[in-house]
Amino acid sequence: KNEVEQSPQNLTAQEGEFITINCSYSVGISALHWLQQHPGGGIVSLFMLSSGKKKHGRLIATINIQEKHSSLHITASHPRDSAVYICAVRGGAQKLVFGQGTRLTINP
Amino acid sequence: DTEVTQTPKHLVMGMTNKKSLKCEQHMGHRAMYWYKQKAKKPPELMFVYSYEKLSINESVPSRFSPECPNSSLLNLHLHALQPEDSALYLCASSQEGGGGGADTQYFGPGTRLTVL
Repeated sequence: KNEVEQSPQNLTAQEGEFITINCSYSVGISALHWLQQHPGGGIVSLFMLSSGKKKHGRLIATINIQEKHSSLHITASHPRDSAVYICAVRGGAQKLVFGQGTRLTINP
Repeated sequence: DTEVTQTPKHLVMGMTNKKSLKCEQHMGHRAMYWYKQKAKKPPELMFVYSYEKLSINESVPSRFSPECPNSSLLNLHLHALQPEDSALYLCASSQEGGGGGADTQYFGPGTRLTVL
């Protein structure tokens, strides 16, 4: 079993829909990261969370430390949001443990 | 400047070639990382440098040789690679990288490496 599990693996939605991507982890963590990777390219760090909730534009990330669960929400989704979203947790010093990623496709 | 740059963007090399990947950041970060990413897989950590010293080597074969000439630069020297080493190589940096707090890692755009 992976230490970080994401669901769904693939998600296709229509423009404007509300999107939720989930992440569960089994290790103790100091922080959880949500990352975005567009096809062929580098990774952008969206959020780093250790508790509660953060919001940036149309993106919202929440974490429940007791339940070892985090969600990434996208409101009013747009085709440019199409990307792979990766959950990663900070386990041991300096090491991120990555989930397998969720491939999101938003159709116009 | 919140950018990590990587050169080259693409690299094609033969199994007998020697080449180098370069990564640069000017954010004053003291931890720098090399990751390898195969298609449709998450990144795999290869090396971590902290304060210009190698702090983590994830049992990477010796045909990959990292170098940190100063706090802004990180190189990955490649020699006698195999076709299965073809991947996207990502560099990242973070402020401290130590075990105490949580650091955001800033990623570069990657170098797409093809080994023939």
